[in-house]
Amino acid sequence: GAGVSQSPSNKVTEKGKDVELRCDPISGHTALYWYRQSLGQGLEFLIYFQGNSAPDKSGLPSDRFSAERTGGSVSTLTIQRTQQEDSAVYLCASSWGGSGANVLTFGAGSRLTVL
Amino acid sequence: GENVEQHPSTLSVQEGDSAVIKCTYSDSASNYFPWYKQELGKRPQLIIDIRSNVGEKKDQRIAVTLNKTAKHFSLHITETQPEDSAVYFCAASNLLGGTSYGKLTFGQGTILTVHP
Repeated sequence: GAGVSQSPSNKVTEKGKDVELRCDPISGHTALYWYRQSLGQGLEFLIYFQGNSAPDKSGLPSDRFSAERTGGSVSTLTIQRTQQEDSAVYLCASSWGGSGANVLTFGAGSRLTVL
Repeated sequence: GENVEQHPSTLSVQEGDSAVIKCTYSDSASNYFPWYKQELGKRPQLIIDIRSNVGEKKDQRIAVTLNKTAKHFSLHITETQPEDSAVYFCAASNLLGGTSYGKLTFGQGTILTVHP
């Protein structure tokens, strides 16, 4: 695709429900990242996929969070038993790595609101 | 793991003045330092980056400097304009084995406001 696509753009859910956020990276980009941005806060690293290597899950805040990447392309971030503190914008980014620099192209984000 | 600290959190300047944002990092193995700009309601975009084998890089009104010994790097914007108003994020990464892949750790961001 022309850019990184994320869906849904907005999600409102009730506390305790599970949510799935989807990211479709740029075709040919082998690296995929998930970040979380709370209101007025920075970009908090969640997870990083690189090719067929084991993902770097060091940023996942709890075992309620998980992510997978199927076929080296689309990724899904799942949050189980959502809590109000999970409310944030979840940004996905992908990179090619062929330019000699790790340039991330971000999606527009999925805004999650947990009531 | 890597920890990136960014200062100041907010910066207000008059149009035409210069703006400087500073970041420090903790992992001496980090070798790639990009800066991203996020305008209100938009996604972050890369504006400039620097590798560890270079001390300074310029692109028109913006420049980045790197001091590896002190583990800090800075973004300099000269002749600021209202359209420079945005949130700026620094980041650090260890691009492994000469590749262009690696986890990117971001600073907390600086809200820059340029007053006309």
